[in-house]
Amino acid sequence: GDSVTQMEGPVTLSEEAFLTINCTYTATGYPSLFWYVQYPGEGLQLLLKATKADDKGSNKGFEATYRKETTSFHLEKGSVQVSDSAVYFCALKWSSGYALNFGKGTSLLVTP
Amino acid sequence: DTAVSQTPKYLVTQMGNDKSIKCEQNLGHDTMYWYKQDSKKFLKIMFSYNNKELIINETVPNRFSPKSPDKAHLNLHINSLELGDSAVYFCASSQTGFPNEKLFFGSGTQLSVL
Repeated sequence: GDSVTQMEGPVTLSEEAFLTINCTYTATGYPSLFWYVQYPGEGLQLLLKATKADDKGSNKGFEATYRKETTSFHLEKGSVQVSDSAVYFCALKWSSGYALNFGKGTSLLVTP
Repeated sequence: DTAVSQTPKYLVTQMGNDKSIKCEQNLGHDTMYWYKQDSKKFLKIMFSYNNKELIINETVPNRFSPKSPDKAHLNLHINSLELGDSAVYFCASSQTGFPNEKLFFGSGTQLSVL
């Protein structure tokens, strides 16, 4: 079935460091791809999305580009802040149109 | 105004008990979901309802029974609770008909079975 695989965490970075969280997908066709973020004690929130190949989603300084040739949707940020500490989930939309399949989440801790 | 609200936020109970978690959304969405997040943060879909009809029923024990009295509500009833049911349960909603609708999540119900 359709699925995403993302890098294991936890990831610990110093403030202002560069962030990359890898995500690759397996799917029939060309699914829509998403990054969700979960702050401590909260539900998930959509961070960014891309709907077709070569689309770049961006929000709050985060970016991810839909790469069909490598079936990837890596999340990047040029300079992380302490407030970015959270768990990040890569997800794809089911080909049936309902629900999302999530990766296992990558915990990010940014230290001052 | 909370878009997706679920109650209770915490639920501590004994093995063998029956419990319910309620979820309501005020976004006018037509689809609602229950996801289970385990201790390692892995998030897995359990059920989905579209316009009160069950459309997704993943491999979940039949001790779990969702009920959708109307489009704005999706409740989860769990019979004969087991230790392995301990997790955070998230309700979510979305609106179909758009190509890439996003999910709106509640803040979760942390269930602890003792």
